[in-house]
Amino acid sequence: NAGVTQTPKFQVLKTGQSMTLQCAQDMNHNSMYWYRQDPGMGLRLIYYSASEGTTDKGEVPNGYNVSRLNKREFSLRLESAAPSQTSVYFCASSEGARDEQYFGPGTRLTVT
Amino acid sequence: RKEVEQDPGPFNVPEGATVAFNCTYSNSASQSFFWYRQDCRKEPKLLMSVYSSGNEDGRFTAQLNRASQYISLLIRDSKLSDSATYLCVVSTGGGNKLTFGTGTQLKVEL
Repeated sequence: NAGVTQTPKFQVLKTGQSMTLQCAQDMNHNSMYWYRQDPGMGLRLIYYSASEGTTDKGEVPNGYNVSRLNKREFSLRLESAAPSQTSVYFCASSEGARDEQYFGPGTRLTVT
Repeated sequence: RKEVEQDPGPFNVPEGATVAFNCTYSNSASQSFFWYRQDCRKEPKLLMSVYSSGNEDGRFTAQLNRASQYISLLIRDSKLSDSATYLCVVSTGGGNKLTFGTGTQLKVEL
């Protein structure tokens, strides 16, 4: 039982490059989330998926797209990376929207 | 006003001390409340849920005051291993997602 897994753990991109962050959970949770965490800003919600087949914008969705591939997997795509997207990205899942969330280990992304 | 506010600290306390953190939230309709712990460069992990009647888990006690819209976390007999950032988390927006505070940093010293 791995919980929530994320790949890659680290990534360096040049401005304008694209990439997809992968997330998978094996807890049969309905809801999944993508956050970014920056110093002094706390966790900010980028996108979430309340259930398979649905996605919604969070607080800071600009520059990102998501795909809920199936109940287990929720990916985050940066189409054209910018230095402002340098951050630590966490994926999380929960049984329901009001329930405790379980986090993956994070992806540390640097855009130069 | 932020939806969830916490004193960022750091709180520097000696081992064995009792320390308390408070958190205020702005949405009176919030229904779920949690404390998470985050170690340096690690993911947040659930410490405990917070119930209306208050709840205790070993050295940790959480309280909820709905009238004043604040949540507290009390840590007794602090250990060096308690050093971390503690995140206050509240359901918002009709309960369809959680909002995280920016965290309170605790440093327990010898």
